[in-house]
Amino acid sequence: DQQVKQNSPSLSVQEGRISILNCDYTNSMFDYFLWYKKYPAEGPTFLISISSIKDKNEDGRFTVFLNKSAKHLSLHIVPSQPGDSAVYFCAASEAFISGTYKYIFGTGTRLKVLA
Amino acid sequence: GAGVSQSPSNKVTEKGKDVELRCDPISGHTALYWYRQRLGQGLEFLIYFQGNSAPDKSGLPSDRFSAERTGESVSTLTIQRTQQEDSAVYLCASSLGSSYNEQFFGPGTRLTVL
Repeated sequence: DQQVKQNSPSLSVQEGRISILNCDYTNSMFDYFLWYKKYPAEGPTFLISISSIKDKNEDGRFTVFLNKSAKHLSLHIVPSQPGDSAVYFCAASEAFISGTYKYIFGTGTRLKVLA
Repeated sequence: GAGVSQSPSNKVTEKGKDVELRCDPISGHTALYWYRQRLGQGLEFLIYFQGNSAPDKSGLPSDRFSAERTGESVSTLTIQRTQQEDSAVYLCASSLGSSYNEQFFGPGTRLTVL
C-alpha cells in the first residue's frame, strides 16, 4: 500500500511559468515532509521541507504548501528554469510523533521545463 | 569531495550469487540509511542505522538481505542468493543524527541480476 503518492508521473512546463508538483499521503501520523530533486545517475538532493505545524514554507523560487486536512502537499517552482528539469520526490515521516526518521518516498514526478 | 560515496556504481551478477554493496557516509554523520529504487517505483526504505543503537531493519524485504555498519563509518549491504527482482538502484544516505535533518544521498549502485 503506497502511503505517499505522486499521481503525475510527468509534467512539462514552459520556462518562466509556474511548476506545481503534487503529493498525497494516507497516514495522518506523518508530521514532517520533504522534497528531493534527482538528476539522472545522481542521488536525490534535498530541496525543501515542511513540518506539520506550518502550512507553507518558502525558499527562493521554491514554496511548499501543506494541507493537513486534505493530506496533500504541493511544491511550487516559480519561475521555472530549464535546470529544474529533474525527477522530484516527496517524502514523509512520523519524525515528531514517534521519533522515527524512516522516510516514505513517493514514486516521483519527472519535470521537464521547456526553453 | 565530502559527499556520500557508494561502490560499485554498477554491478551485474548472475541469479543465485551473493553481492556486497558499500557506502561511505559523510564524516560525522551518525545516521545512515539504505533505500532501493526499482524501475518505475519510488525509493523504498530498507534499513536505518543510528549511532550504536540497534538498527531499524523493518524495510528489509527478506532474510537474504542484511547490512552492517562499523561504528559511525562504512556500511555494507549484502544480498545473498540474488534474484532477478533484486535488480534496482540501491541508494545510501546519511544525516547528522537522530532528528529530522535532511538526508544526503550517494549516487547509488545499479544492480542488475541476470
